Amino acid sequence: SYVLTQPPSVSAAPEKTAKITCGGDNIGTKTVHWYQQKPGQAPVLVIYYNSDRPSGIPERFSGSNSGNTATLTISRVEAGDEADYYCQVWDSSSDHYVFGTGTKVTVL
Amino acid sequence: QVQLVESGGGVVQTGRSLRVSCAASGLTLSNYGIHWVRQAPGKGLEWLGSISFDGSNKWYRESVRGRFTISRDKSKNTVSLQMNSLIGDDTAVYYCAKGRDSGPVATAFDYWGHGTLVTVSS
Repeated sequence: SYVLTQPPSVSAAPEKTAKITCGGDNIGTKTVHWYQQKPGQAPVLVIYYNSDRPSGIPERFSGSNSGNTATLTISRVEAGDEADYYCQVWDSSSDHYVFGTGTKVTVL
Repeated sequence: QVQLVESGGGVVQTGRSLRVSCAASGLTLSNYGIHWVRQAPGKGLEWLGSISFDGSNKWYRESVRGRFTISRDKSKNTVSLQMNSLIGDDTAVYYCAKGRDSGPVATAFDYWGHGTLVTVSS
């Protein structure tokens, strides 16, 4: 089955940049979506189709996808960005949605 | 304003069945693919299954296929997840989510319910 690997944790100081990676075999050939989940809350879509932002999501959130790694970048990190982040793809070989292992972002 | 609300969670004994439902306001569920995702305590997100907008196609995670069934009730604007032969590993918060696109595959989940907790106890 298809596996998406994320670092367990990423930290960044306020106003700095946080990069969250999502590794998968030839993930660059797939469409990646990203979700933010704060404690006790449902996930929120922050990036879809690799790099598109839903309305209401700040421009500080951006995404890219190439080769074996997709990346969610949070620029000018704020305290409110502290959350767990998950990547997601559709694996057509198994007809399964797959979520990444999740990354906890800490603002220093 | 789009809102999804899950209901039907609770405590159930091992081996028993439970049905959780997803109701919507602000949109017609039958226009979209709907997806079920669960999250065990302290763990990550796990996709369970999806149903196409018209109910004609369904996809399930391998580990729940044959035990879990997704269905639609167009008249009530709801989607349900029937769970049979429950085990301890099924203890989780269960979320329904709406697909961003009309097609049920390869789409993002743009609206989520608040989740309903299912606890399987022996």
